[in-house]
Amino acid sequence: RKEVEQDPGPFNVPEGATVAFNCTYSNSASQSFFWYRQDCRKEPKLLMSVYSSGNEDGRFTAQLNRASQYISLLIRDSKLSDSATYLCVVTALNYGGSQGNLIFGKGTKLSVKP
Amino acid sequence: SQTIHQWPATLVQPVGSPLSLECTVEGTSNPNLYWYRQAAGRGLQLLFYSVGIGQISSEVPQNLSASRPQDRQFILSSKKLLLSDSGFYLCAWDWDRGFDNEQFFGPGTRLTVL
Repeated sequence: RKEVEQDPGPFNVPEGATVAFNCTYSNSASQSFFWYRQDCRKEPKLLMSVYSSGNEDGRFTAQLNRASQYISLLIRDSKLSDSATYLCVVTALNYGGSQGNLIFGKGTKLSVKP
Repeated sequence: SQTIHQWPATLVQPVGSPLSLECTVEGTSNPNLYWYRQAAGRGLQLLFYSVGIGQISSEVPQNLSASRPQDRQFILSSKKLLLSDSGFYLCAWDWDRGFDNEQFFGPGTRLTVL
């Protein structure tokens, strides 16, 4: 099983649509979870952290299910500017002896069309 | 505020040539520093991390090396580049306050080995 798995997409949606991304992780010892956004040929940028209770930031909602080792990101009212690749990220604490390292999924590509 | 710089932004090098990529962080002290590589169509791969001056941990065997001569400077080097070294090299930092922290990325260096 891959450490962090995401549907690669692409997700092609019209403006205003609601889109959901899913992610599963294999290391049950992971403590922290994040969603990053990466624009084409640019560096990843932190979109939001993911908390056990779920959290919301404007049009973005992230949820975590530790029992299922599953993370989700919901984007409501999609904008053209949301087009990017969304990376699911978990920590690798105590995994293979590495501390504090982030494990990145390969990302899900989103394309929002007019 | 903290900023992270990388240079050069792009680089085209012949196989067998040496490499030196530089990363510097401003606005913080004693950060953890990281080098990642993102190959075309693949996820981010952690290459090295450093928790302090002169302290380097390697995540994968390869013909690359890293050094941290100053607190906020991180250098990625190679004596002889391979074709497989092509990719997008990203430097990142996080706070030295334990682990499980989100990381912040520099703008990256796009390396093409011919």
